Amino acid sequence: TQLLEQSPQFLSIQEGENLTVYCNSSSVFSSLQWYRQEPGEGPVLLVTVVTGGEVKKLKRLTFQFGDARKDSSLHITAAQPGDTGLYLCAGAGGSGNTGKLIFGQGTTLQVKP
Amino acid sequence: NAGVTQTPKFQVLKTGQSMTLQCAQDMNHNSMYWYRQDPGMGLRLIYYSASEGTTDKGEVPNGYNVSRLNKREFSLRLESAAPSQTSVYFCASSAPGQMNTGELFFGEGSRLTVL
Repeated sequence: TQLLEQSPQFLSIQEGENLTVYCNSSSVFSSLQWYRQEPGEGPVLLVTVVTGGEVKKLKRLTFQFGDARKDSSLHITAAQPGDTGLYLCAGAGGSGNTGKLIFGQGTTLQVKP
Repeated sequence: NAGVTQTPKFQVLKTGQSMTLQCAQDMNHNSMYWYRQDPGMGLRLIYYSASEGTTDKGEVPNGYNVSRLNKREFSLRLESAAPSQTSVYFCASSAPGQMNTGELFFGEGSRLTVL
């Protein structure tokens, strides 16, 4: 069974701080997605990374896919209260599974003003 | 645009009762999914439908049944609810040809409590 381990599971920081969320697996994925979920809503896609070593930036958010396509990271620069939410990574197309998205357990981010 | 619409948003059941969660999407997507979300466990796939007329089990199908009524609608039924099925349920859809790697569009969720 493929697993995606996210760390940390909970992060509480002050506005203006930087942070990194990690998503790790022993399996190789063909692509990896990051979603953000706000309370009472469904997850919304932030980015998809496909190529090993790929880096994508979305304003203050930087996403990286590991060279071996087994891990990914999300770095937020100068966090703001509006970044508060649950961040989920999801891997697709891994070997030995049905090909459906496998989700990590999520990282809850709280940014205090 | 409505996107993915789920009903009901909240439901309280007693153990043994049955109910159906409804989901409809207006994006002409082929693939639809039902997930459950529990604290600290992310999203787990219950059932999915790659296209109209087909359904398949996901990671945690026990205690659930699904029906792909047409291209737009995908329902999830609990025949005899158990407290372990207390969860938030999400319906999602994805565009044609992107079932395994494309963006999932989620509904707002249905919060179910089984007493």
